[in-house]
Amino acid sequence: DIRVAQSPSSLSASVGDRVTITCRTSQGVMNYLHWYRQRPGKAPEVLIYGASNLQSGVPSRFSGSGSGTDFTLTITSLQLEDVATYYCQHTHSIPWTFGPGTKVEVK
Amino acid sequence: QLQLLESGPGLLQPSETLSLTCSVSGDSMKNSKSYWGWIRQPPGKELEWIGDMFFSGSVRYNPALMSLSGRVTISIDTSRNQFFLRVTSMTVEDSGFYFCARRLIRGVSYFDSWGQGTQVTVSS
Repeated sequence: DIRVAQSPSSLSASVGDRVTITCRTSQGVMNYLHWYRQRPGKAPEVLIYGASNLQSGVPSRFSGSGSGTDFTLTITSLQLEDVATYYCQHTHSIPWTFGPGTKVEVK
Repeated sequence: QLQLLESGPGLLQPSETLSLTCSVSGDSMKNSKSYWGWIRQPPGKELEWIGDMFFSGSVRYNPALMSLSGRVTISIDTSRNQFFLRVTSMTVEDSGFYFCARRLIRGVSYFDSWGQGTQVTVSS
C-alpha cells in the first residue's frame, strides 16, 4: 500500500500570508494526487485534482504542483474561510489513501 | 449540480448492523465516469476510503481496512437513485462520521462531490 505523509501537521498564519503544505507518497503516484479542504464540521471538498488542476469554483488563490512522490499545495493569500484541515489523497492504486491532514489556523 | 445526502441511524449498540443510504440528485447514477463510494472518519482521525461501486454492480473494497473485512457491503439501486452501505457486527471502533461521495473519472479519478456526512456512534 502507498503511504501518504503531510507536513506540517499544523500551522498558524495571518490573513494574507502565503501558506505551503507538502505531501509525500511512499511510491510514485504520477499525478494521481488530490487536495481537499475540510472545514470544521463539514464534509471535505476537492480543491486540486491531478496534482495541479483547480477544481471548478475553487478560488484561484489555491494551486498545486508536483509529480511522482512530492507534491505541494499553496494558498497565495490566506483568508479566514481557509481555517480548515487539508488532506492530500492518492488514487494511483488501491487502496486509495488520505494523508493525516494539516490543520490551518489563522493568527 | 450533483447532491448527495446520507441517511441512517446515528446510534447503534455493539454487534448491530449499520445500514446507511446515500440519495443522489442532479446527475444520473449511470454516468460512465462515476463511481459511488463511502468514506469514513473515526473521531480525530484521518479519512478512510471504504469502497466504491459502478452502476453496473462492479464493486471494490479497501483491502487495507482489515477491521472491516467480511463485514461490509456496498450496493446500488439506480432506479431509486440511491446506493447503500451495510456493515455488520459493529464495534465501538466503527464509530465516526460516514460520508458518501462520487469518484469522478476525469483523466485521473478523485472524489468531486460529497454528502454532508452522518455521525454514527456505537455504544452500549
